[in-house]
Amino acid sequence: DQQVKQNSPSLSVQEGRISILNCDYTNSMFDYFLWYKKYPAEGPTFLISISSIKDKNEDGRFTVFLNKSAKHLSLHIVPSQPGDSAVYFCAVDNYGQNFVFGPGTRLSVLP
Amino acid sequence: EAQVTQNPRYLITVTGKKLTVTCSQNMNHEYMSWYRQDPGLGLRQIYYSMNVEVTDKGDVPEGYKVSRKEKRNFPLILESPSPNQTSLYFCASRGGGSSYEQYFGPGTRLTVT
Repeated sequence: DQQVKQNSPSLSVQEGRISILNCDYTNSMFDYFLWYKKYPAEGPTFLISISSIKDKNEDGRFTVFLNKSAKHLSLHIVPSQPGDSAVYFCAVDNYGQNFVFGPGTRLSVLP
Repeated sequence: EAQVTQNPRYLITVTGKKLTVTCSQNMNHEYMSWYRQDPGLGLRQIYYSMNVEVTDKGDVPEGYKVSRKEKRNFPLILESPSPNQTSLYFCASRGGGSSYEQYFGPGTRLTVT
């Protein structure tokens, strides 16, 4: 059973609008959450993270929200740009040892 | 330039022929890890290493071996590859302390026929 779920395999948004990518996890003991972006033929690159003691972290156009009671986090991209088109992976850090990634959401930002 | 390198980038082999995928990082990171990426399954961790001579199984270790004899290198070994190991493989490293960010290599696409 997947511990980290991204239920939307793909998402399309118009340039300039908001992109919202969602992630759900099963283990309430997870304490650190990350988002990675992946372009074709490249390795994933770190985007933004959040600790379980926070409910929001912002970095420029990217904001991650954490709802611990719902075991849900989301990534907001505002405004979306064509260069944001990529696969986005949600990941949890299991106490600095192993990492668990979600299956990914392919974001397409249409010009 | 800080980076994680993997070799080869592409490999086609036959069932049962032992192979090694090398991984090297130049950031003096203690933590290194191997993942495989498959459609619909995302990235799944194969093995990880917290430091030299310390390795642990991830979620999908069957059919793989690793070694960590020195800090910068973390090779992935397939003793007897099978077609279900056809996948895209990524090596990653991470610094210590409060840094949770992993740096990924460019990937190795392996096909086992």
